[in-house]
Amino acid sequence: DAGVIQSPRHEVTEMGQEVTLRCKPISGHDYLFWYRQTMMRGLELLIYFNNNVPIDDSGMPEDRFSAKMPNASFSTLKIQPSEPRDSAVYFCASSFGVPYGYTFGSGTRLTVV
Amino acid sequence: GQQLNQSPQSMFIQEGEDVSMNCTSSSIFNTWLWYKQDPGEGPVLLIALYKAGELTSNGRLTAQFGITRKDSFLNISASIPSDVGIYFCAGLNTGTASKLTFGTGTRLQVTL
Repeated sequence: DAGVIQSPRHEVTEMGQEVTLRCKPISGHDYLFWYRQTMMRGLELLIYFNNNVPIDDSGMPEDRFSAKMPNASFSTLKIQPSEPRDSAVYFCASSFGVPYGYTFGSGTRLTVV
Repeated sequence: GQQLNQSPQSMFIQEGEDVSMNCTSSSIFNTWLWYKQDPGEGPVLLIALYKAGELTSNGRLTAQFGITRKDSFLNISASIPSDVGIYFCAGLNTGTASKLTFGTGTRLQVTL
């Protein structure tokens, strides 16, 4: 099992540009989560899906953020337009049934200059 | 969003020493999880606890689900250099929402 795969690992972009982060969950997992990690705020849940359907997006900071899960093996998190305060590490995680805990990807370190 | 309070925030210990850290919440959880995060990587699940009072071990790690369901504890015995990292607790209430609430983290440094 390759685990949760995120791409790219690092992204540097200019303010105002569109950024798309990608995630491939573990095959068979029915939950997918997007988290953001910063020194100031720790790990924050942005949005999660169950069986490809968005369940809770209350953590999405602004309308500039959007997430999709077109099928069970792929999800994207898009920021448009990006701002310097969006700089953080973004993690995707997946789970088979929530009580068993999540498996995290290695993250995408986003720097907006 | 809500966060769980972990203490201590950071620890500097010598190799071979035992480590204790805890996590407290104002809310009750019915599942507690402990994760470790290495630099440049995502958190990795160490131990899961599903019942108040439960004591579970994973090698040199032992975790406990507090009786009040508002806290949890993690102990590491005979620390080694690869124990370095950030340890996160996480709480979950499966009945109300299928999302973890993460603690603020305890950064562990091990010196030789």
